[in-house]
Amino acid sequence: AQSVTQLDSHVSVSEGTPVLLRCNYSSSYSPSLFWYVQHPNKGLQLLLKYTSAATLVKGINGFEAEFKKSETSFHLTKPSAHMSDAAEYFCVVSERGFQKLVFGTGTRLLVSP
Amino acid sequence: DAGVTQSPTHLIKTRGQHVTLRCSPISGHKSVSWYQQVLGQGPQFIFQYYEKEERGRGNFPDRFSARQFPNYSSELNVNALLLGDSALYLCASSSRDGNQPQHFGDGTRLSIL
Repeated sequence: AQSVTQLDSHVSVSEGTPVLLRCNYSSSYSPSLFWYVQHPNKGLQLLLKYTSAATLVKGINGFEAEFKKSETSFHLTKPSAHMSDAAEYFCVVSERGFQKLVFGTGTRLLVSP
Repeated sequence: DAGVTQSPTHLIKTRGQHVTLRCSPISGHKSVSWYQQVLGQGPQFIFQYYEKEERGRGNFPDRFSARQFPNYSSELNVNALLLGDSALYLCASSSRDGNQPQHFGDGTRLSIL
């Protein structure tokens, strides 16, 4: 079975500093990987997706992630945090194409002024 | 274009009751999936439907059931509600194309008293 592990439950950064949210995956074959963001009392918004094309994936709002097969990692980064980035972030792997998503436990990003 | 819409947004029920949650997918999307998100956790896959047929089922008891209608909207039904069913229920839609990720609604917050 496929799974993802988000290595940090909480990450705190100051506005304007870089963001790094870590994710490792486990998959028996080439996975599809996603990052979703969830703001309080809202649904999930897709930030970016990896589907075996370019290993460096650019998403919305300045986020990007790099697929590293040798390290089974898919870390999410952003060069400069903004206050509006404060939210819960989920690393996700898909099973059987895109019909079933398996979520990590989430990382709460806190951004201070 | 309208996104995924779910109704109601909030619902309060008591133990033993039955509940029906509704979801309308993005126009043109034929696949609908349901997820349960308990407070503080990542979403868990419940069902996936495509063209009115169940294509996937997560590890949930038979009290949970769903269906998809000819217009691709969907209902999730839960019988004999338990306190542990309190959660945010998320609906996601996608096209059949395997390169298209799932788009989520804002969810229905179900509270069991």
